[in-house]
Amino acid sequence: AQSVTQPDIHITVSEGASLELRCNYSYGATPYLFWYVQSPGQGLQLLLKYFSGDTLVQGIKGFEAEFKRSQSSFNLRKPSVHWSDAAEYFCAVGISGGSNYKLTFGKGTLLTVNP
Amino acid sequence: DGGITQSPKYLFRKEGQNVTLSCEQNLNHDAMYWYRQDPGQGLRLIYYSQIVNDFQKGDIAEGYSVSREKKESFPLTVTSAQKNPTAFYLCASGNSGTEFFGPGTRLTVL
Repeated sequence: AQSVTQPDIHITVSEGASLELRCNYSYGATPYLFWYVQSPGQGLQLLLKYFSGDTLVQGIKGFEAEFKRSQSSFNLRKPSVHWSDAAEYFCAVGISGGSNYKLTFGKGTLLTVNP
Repeated sequence: DGGITQSPKYLFRKEGQNVTLSCEQNLNHDAMYWYRQDPGQGLRLIYYSQIVNDFQKGDIAEGYSVSREKKESFPLTVTSAQKNPTAFYLCASGNSGTEFFGPGTRLTVL
């Protein structure tokens, strides 16, 4: 079964600093890969996704992620964090094809931004 | 406006009562999903449906039931058999592999 690991439960950065959130997955083939963001008490918003092609994908709000097949990773990056980026971030993987497609989520990384 | 609606936003029920959470979408998506979220646990899949009149159990289906009589609607019933129903419940719909989420319902069982 596929699994997703987000090694960092909580990360604190200063406003204006760069950010990298880690995500590793376990699956035999290349899955679909996603990053979502969640503000407290809200639903999840899709930041970006990777299905195939260019391994560096751009998303909304200035985020990008890079798929590295050799490391089974899909890390999320942002060059300069804003206070409004404080939220919880979830990485997810989905198996392509078939009639029972579903996503598996990591347990999330909570981002705190210091002024 | 296209989107996914969940109602109500907050729900309180007494222990032992069944309760039904609503999820509606007007995005014309074939697939719909229900997740449960607890602090530090991420999202856990309860049930999902890839097409009308068909659904499958997810990882934590015990104590829950669903129906998919219409493409737009995927209600979730939390039964009295669910041992710890207090949680944040998220509904999602999707096409072509991408899921989009509703705003969630926070259920508190007293």
